[in-house]
Amino acid sequence: NAGVTQTPKFQVLKTGQSMTLQCAQDMNHEYMSWYRQDPGMGLRLIHYSVGAGITDQGEVPNGYNVSRSTTEDFPLRLLSAAPSQTSVYFCASSYGLEVHNEQFFGPGTRLTVL
Amino acid sequence: GQQVMQIPQYQHVQEGEDFTTYCNSSTTLSNIQWYKQRPGGHPVFLIQLVKSGEVKKQKRLTFQFGEAKKNSSLHITATQTTDVGTYFCAVNAGGTSYGKLTFGQGTILTVHP
Repeated sequence: NAGVTQTPKFQVLKTGQSMTLQCAQDMNHEYMSWYRQDPGMGLRLIHYSVGAGITDQGEVPNGYNVSRSTTEDFPLRLLSAAPSQTSVYFCASSYGLEVHNEQFFGPGTRLTVL
Repeated sequence: GQQVMQIPQYQHVQEGEDFTTYCNSSTTLSNIQWYKQRPGGHPVFLIQLVKSGEVKKQKRLTFQFGEAKKNSSLHITATQTTDVGTYFCAVNAGGTSYGKLTFGQGTILTVHP
């Protein structure tokens, strides 16, 4: 199993550009989520999904869109990049939401917005 | 939303010293998880605590969940250079917050050989 994969690993954008961060998992996990990590602020939840076709907002959803058309994929779209979105983005998945909700993280995407 | 405070933010120790990080919540938690992130890496799951007063051990790591399920601690005995990294707690309050995992700010541990 590849686990959770993310592409790209690094990305530089100009202000106003749009892009999609890809996330895929091959563990048949129902729950997937996106976090951003900034120095001193831990991991903040952007959006999450409890299954195909179901998404919900996390703590910092503004400026980001998600969709979940399949169990395996959970892309994160930046609509119009801003310097404040410079961060490290992690995708995570888990089997369940309560008892078996160990989060498996991808390697991350390091995004710089100029 | 669910808030969790993690202290300290930084901890510098000499190799062989002990280390403890704490997570505190103002509300009762359904469970708490702990993760470790090595420098430049991604968070890796360490353990989940569910029961009031639960204590779990993993080699030199001891995890505790408070009796009131509002706080937790991670204690490392006799730190080694391989323990370097950031330790996070993560909580899911359950109920209407089902599915939302909130992470603490993390404790950055450095170990001097």
